[in-house]
Amino acid sequence: AQSVAQPEDQVNVAEGNPLTVKCTYSVSGNPYLFWYVQYPNRGLQFLLKYITGDNLVKGSYGFEAEFNKSQTSFHLKKPSALVSDSALYFCAAENNAGNMLTFGGGTRLMVKP
Amino acid sequence: GAGVSQSPSNKVTEKGKDVELRCDPISGHTALYWYRQSLGQGLEFLIYFQGNSAPDKSGLPSDRFSAERTGGSVSTLTIQRTQQEDSAVYLCASSGGVNTIYFGEGSWLTVV
Repeated sequence: AQSVAQPEDQVNVAEGNPLTVKCTYSVSGNPYLFWYVQYPNRGLQFLLKYITGDNLVKGSYGFEAEFNKSQTSFHLKKPSALVSDSALYFCAAENNAGNMLTFGGGTRLMVKP
Repeated sequence: GAGVSQSPSNKVTEKGKDVELRCDPISGHTALYWYRQSLGQGLEFLIYFQGNSAPDKSGLPSDRFSAERTGGSVSTLTIQRTQQEDSAVYLCASSGGVNTIYFGEGSWLTVV
């Protein structure tokens, strides 16, 4: 069975500092990996995805994520955090056989001025 | 429409009443998902429709919950005899052939 783990319930970072939100996955076959962001009282918004190719994927709002097959990880990163990045972030995975998308439990990012 | 549309956006209902939540996916999307999210917590998978295949209902928490998708487009999630623990945001999402799923803004259900 597929699973996605986000080991941190919350990540705190100062504005201007780099941020990392961790995600590991367990998927049979080749994985498709995604990050979504949820702002307060809103639905989820797509940030970026890895399907194939370059391990470093760039997405919306300056975010990027690195696919690491040996560590089965897909950590979300941003070089310089903004207060407006404060939100709930979800990692998701599916395999290339078209199985349903599985989400991690979410990580709350708090960026302080 | 341009995005996934859900209605109602907010619903307050009395315990024991039935509710219907509607999802209108992005036109042409064959996959449709329902998730539940309680108070800014994680996503709980409820049900998954893919084209004309039998839906994956493995996430429905009880037989009070059901969903249908008519004509491969609009979906309705029905909760019968609502309980207070059903209070949550019910999120619908749809996906075409490029593996990215798009979410609606959710239906916020409060059972009093």
